[in-house]
Amino acid sequence: GENVEQHPSTLSVQEGDSAVIKCTYSDSASNYFPWYKQELGKRPQLIIDIRSNVGEKKDQRIAVTLNKTAKHFSLHITETQPEDSAVYFCAASQSGGYQKVTFGIGTKLQVIP
Amino acid sequence: GAVVSQHPSRVICKSGTSVKIECRSLDFQATTMFWYRQFPKQSLMLMATSNEGSKATYEQGVEKDKFLINHASLTLSTLTVTSAHPEDSSFYICSARGGAVYNEQFFGPGTRLTVL
Repeated sequence: GENVEQHPSTLSVQEGDSAVIKCTYSDSASNYFPWYKQELGKRPQLIIDIRSNVGEKKDQRIAVTLNKTAKHFSLHITETQPEDSAVYFCAASQSGGYQKVTFGIGTKLQVIP
Repeated sequence: GAVVSQHPSRVICKSGTSVKIECRSLDFQATTMFWYRQFPKQSLMLMATSNEGSKATYEQGVEKDKFLINHASLTLSTLTVTSAHPEDSSFYICSARGGAVYNEQFFGPGTRLTVL
C-alpha cells in the first residue's frame, strides 16, 4: 500500500517568512495529492491539491510542487501570518471517489508574531 | 464546498456500552465514506472505507466486530463502537467523497468519544 512520509514534524517561523513542508510517497499509482490544514479541535480543511499531470500549483500565498520522478511534493507558504499556525497534513491517493487517502504524520506550524 | 455533518460531536459513556456515530453528506451523494481515528497530536489513522450498499473494508489491525460500519444510503454512514473500553477514547472523524466532487474528500467535524 501507499506510504507517505512528511517532514518536519514541527516548524516555527517568524511572521512574514516562508514555510516549506515536504512529503514523499511510495506508490507510483498515486496521482492526487491534497494538503489539509487542521486547527486544534477542528476538522481538516483542504487548502490546495495537485494532480500528477501538473508540476506546480499556486493559490495566493500557498503553492504546491510535485516531482513525480522522485515521488515527492512540497507545500510552500509565503508571507506567513499568525493565523497560518495549525497542523498541516499532506496526503496521496489515486483518482476515484472510492480510493482511500493516505496521510502524512502532520507538521505543526507555529508562526511567531 | 460540500458539507459533511457528524453526530454527536461529543459523547461520554461507561465502559461496556455501545456508541453510534452518524456521518451525513448534506448536499452531495457520497459514494464512499471513510472513518478515521485521531489521537492527540497525531495523524489521521484510516479505520475503514465504506461504500454504499456493500460491506466496509477495514484497515489492518482494526477489529470489524468492534467497530461496526453501515453505509445504508448515499448520504449516511454509521460507526458503532461496541462494548467500548477506555482505550477506545479518541477523536473519530468521517469523510466523504463522490458525485460531482470527484476527488476531494470532505471531513465531518469529528466526534470526541470518552469512555469512562
